[in-house]
Amino acid sequence: DAGVTQSPTHLIKTRGQHVTLRCSPISGHKSVSWYQQVLGQGPQFIFQYYEKEERGRGNFPDRFSARQFPNYSSELNVNALLLGDSALYLCASSRGQGRSGYTFGSGTRLTVV
Amino acid sequence: GQQLNQSPQSMFIQEGEDVSMNCTSSSIFNTWLWYKQEPGEGPVLLIALYKAGELTSNGRLTAQFGITRKDSFLNISASIPSDVGIYFCAGLPNTGNQFYFGTGTSLTVIP
Repeated sequence: DAGVTQSPTHLIKTRGQHVTLRCSPISGHKSVSWYQQVLGQGPQFIFQYYEKEERGRGNFPDRFSARQFPNYSSELNVNALLLGDSALYLCASSRGQGRSGYTFGSGTRLTVV
Repeated sequence: GQQLNQSPQSMFIQEGEDVSMNCTSSSIFNTWLWYKQEPGEGPVLLIALYKAGELTSNGRLTAQFGITRKDSFLNISASIPSDVGIYFCAGLPNTGNQFYFGTGTSLTVIP
């Protein structure tokens, strides 16, 4: 079975631009969570979606938004990019709501210049 | 938000040595997870703990859920070069589905 797949793997954007990151969960997993990992730090929770509904939101500005599609894949959107948004964006999926842990993808490395 | 502190921040050990690391929080957690992350990859789940005092093993790895529910410990026995990576703890509080991650322990194993 394929693991959690994320695209693109790397991305370079300019300040002020918009970016869309994509994630396909493991087959059968209905929950997708997004995390931001700045270099040298642990992952920080951004969003969780379960059964296409937002079930949790971390302490991130409204420039960050996400959605989950009927096939349980997900998109993370970030508007008006700032230099500080440069990070590894990780998607994780779980069968249930994730209280017993997630499986992470390899992430999308976003660089804002 | 919740703050999880891991120690030590980094470790340099000889192959074959045992490793101990811990994770502490100011808040109580209901679930503790331990992940390992290698360069260019996402974190990989190693061990999950669901009950205070629980001791769980996965091969050479053993983790414990602290009695106070505010800490957790990970031990690696007889380290090998492929143990190299950054180890993260993650805790789940009583409410919500958000896991809080620690600051990480970087492990280097010298052959």
